[in-house]
Amino acid sequence: DVKVTQSSRYLVKRTGEKVFLECVQDMDHENMFWYRQDPGLGLRLIYFSYDVKMKEKGDIPEGYSVSREKKERFSLILESASTNQTSMYLCASSTPWQTYTEAFFGQGTRLTVV
Amino acid sequence: DQQVKQNSPSLSVQEGRISILNCDYTNSMFDYFLWYKKYPAEGPTFLISISSIKDKNEDGRFTVFLNKSAKHLSLHIVPSQPGDSAVYFCAASNSGGGADGLTFGKGTHLIIQP
Repeated sequence: DVKVTQSSRYLVKRTGEKVFLECVQDMDHENMFWYRQDPGLGLRLIYFSYDVKMKEKGDIPEGYSVSREKKERFSLILESASTNQTSMYLCASSTPWQTYTEAFFGQGTRLTVV
Repeated sequence: DQQVKQNSPSLSVQEGRISILNCDYTNSMFDYFLWYKKYPAEGPTFLISISSIKDKNEDGRFTVFLNKSAKHLSLHIVPSQPGDSAVYFCAASNSGGGADGLTFGKGTHLIIQP
């Protein structure tokens, strides 16, 4: 069974803290993604990576960075957490889109910044 | 500018009847379309997809229709069941454009009434 695992289901952090969200996939997928989901806004792409050490900005990268040191692991970093980063964060992975396959999502991390 | 639009934030359907969820897109480079289903506090799960070379794809109770000239797709669920109550996201990708990620609509909350 394919699996994308996010390290935490729920997190509460203080404003100004550095926050790490970890994601691991066991499908040997090349592509990995970080989205955030907010009510009325759908899923918005923060960053993606199509190979180890490669990263590309998505639609809303401000305030975030990412790291991909190993193929199976993609980390999202909030350099200095702010209250407007309170959200549901979703990690996903996929094979290259040329193969016409879906992206698989993790269970999500509900982050609250206080 | 929103490239994938789901204009109905919510839809209520009686159990046993047909549910029709609609999605419009503006980017003519999109050539692969997907529907995801999401329950609260869980990650999205893939439902069904269609590539731009087809106009219909069926999987059990779920059928997706694609009208390329109108840049419109729809998801039909027949018959609707209580477990279908969830938020449904339409998503699109450009398979020739590298990783890029999926572009999502804002979602439609489907409520199946008993």
